[in-house]
Amino acid sequence: DVKVTQSSRYLVKRTGEKVFLECVQDMDHENMFWYRQDPGLGLRLIYFSYDVKMKEKGDIPEGYSVSREKKERFSLILESASTNQTSMYLCASRRRQVINQPQHFGDGTRLSIL
Amino acid sequence: KNQVEQSPQSLIILEGKNCTLQCNYTVSPFSNLRWYKQDTGRGPVSLTIMTFSENTKSNGRYTATLDADTKQSSLHITASQLSDSASYICVVRVGGSTLGRLYFGRGTQLTVWP
Repeated sequence: DVKVTQSSRYLVKRTGEKVFLECVQDMDHENMFWYRQDPGLGLRLIYFSYDVKMKEKGDIPEGYSVSREKKERFSLILESASTNQTSMYLCASRRRQVINQPQHFGDGTRLSIL
Repeated sequence: KNQVEQSPQSLIILEGKNCTLQCNYTVSPFSNLRWYKQDTGRGPVSLTIMTFSENTKSNGRYTATLDADTKQSSLHITASQLSDSASYICVVRVGGSTLGRLYFGRGTQLTVWP
């Protein structure tokens, strides 16, 4: 079974802090994704990566950056955390060359910015 | 504009009863449609995928249908169990590229009462 592991289930940080969310997958997937999930809004794509050191902006990249130094690890960075970034963050991975493969999700990090 | 709309927003049923969740989409060109189940505090897990040529597909007590002409899909749950309580998310993939983007519905929150 594919396992996508997010380093923290719950995280509380203060406004202005630099925040790192870590995600590791164990299936050698090329594609990795970061989403945020808010009540009533569903999942929204922040950034994705289709290879090491490659990154592409999603629908809501403002205030975020990412890092993919190794194939199995994809980090989301909040440069200067703000209260409107309080949310559930979900990481996902997927094999690139197979169209009907699903994205496999981690269990999320619930981030609160005070 | 590419969109995915789900109904109802929430649903409460008694254990043992059947229910049907709806998904309407305007995504074009269409590649596939996937239903995910998301338990509280967990990441989404794929239930089933529908491609253009498929009308019906079953996965245990879950049966998905697709009408590509009317751009509608449904997820029917038979003989519901308490463990079916979750959010069900409809996701549509654009085009045939391995990088085809996903459009997420906002989900239907199903609660099964004993």
